[in-house]
Amino acid sequence: GEDVEQSLFLSVREGDSSVINCTYTDSSSTYLYWYKQEPGAGLQLLTYIFSNMDMKQDQRLTVLLNKKDKHLSLRIADTQTGDSAIYFCAEGSGGYQKVTFGTGTKLQVIP
Amino acid sequence: AAGVIQSPRHLIKEKRETATLKCYPIPRHDTVYWYQQGPGQDPQFLISFYEKMQSDKGSIPDRFSAQQFSDYHSELNMSSLELGDSALYFCASSTPGQGHTDTQYFGPGTRLTVL
Repeated sequence: GEDVEQSLFLSVREGDSSVINCTYTDSSSTYLYWYKQEPGAGLQLLTYIFSNMDMKQDQRLTVLLNKKDKHLSLRIADTQTGDSAIYFCAEGSGGYQKVTFGTGTKLQVIP
Repeated sequence: AAGVIQSPRHLIKEKRETATLKCYPIPRHDTVYWYQQGPGQDPQFLISFYEKMQSDKGSIPDRFSAQQFSDYHSELNMSSLELGDSALYFCASSTPGQGHTDTQYFGPGTRLTVL
């Protein structure tokens, strides 16, 4: 994750909103993704955004993209205890190309 | 909906042994990717295949090899295993095309422990 950085830890209270931030360096990335990983489990695709979009909303999830600053954020509204997990942002060019993951942010939701 | 299948889910090997990990992509997905996630680390790209040909290569050790078969499943072969190979190995699949079909969908992973 040297090209994609995230803060390591975030703690929020149940019912509050969570905002997880990510910065990336590859301006040629076509897609930016958010994946969720629960303890001992696989990577679950939460949502994605095309690089020519500024915002995407998907139920409780809102993705904001500032392409100029290469900054991506994931907002989770009404955070629940089941949202506790590690969240990875990732960038990719699509097609057959690899995806580069960020360092991951561990979200802890306090009941 | 069908997802990416990986087998085995858990594997324990001794140093210097060999291991084979299998990946079955989502039906109609023709591209397979392998990633390695060490403890507390983010997933690192190893290698990918499109239509049975290697399409991209990352930080895959020479001791590892992979291939994609005619039914699009893929196998990652790991020889002369080292303690540092202990990790979660993910397979992902996608089908290149417009829109969200470029997205990589990940399997549950194979947890390899080398003793």
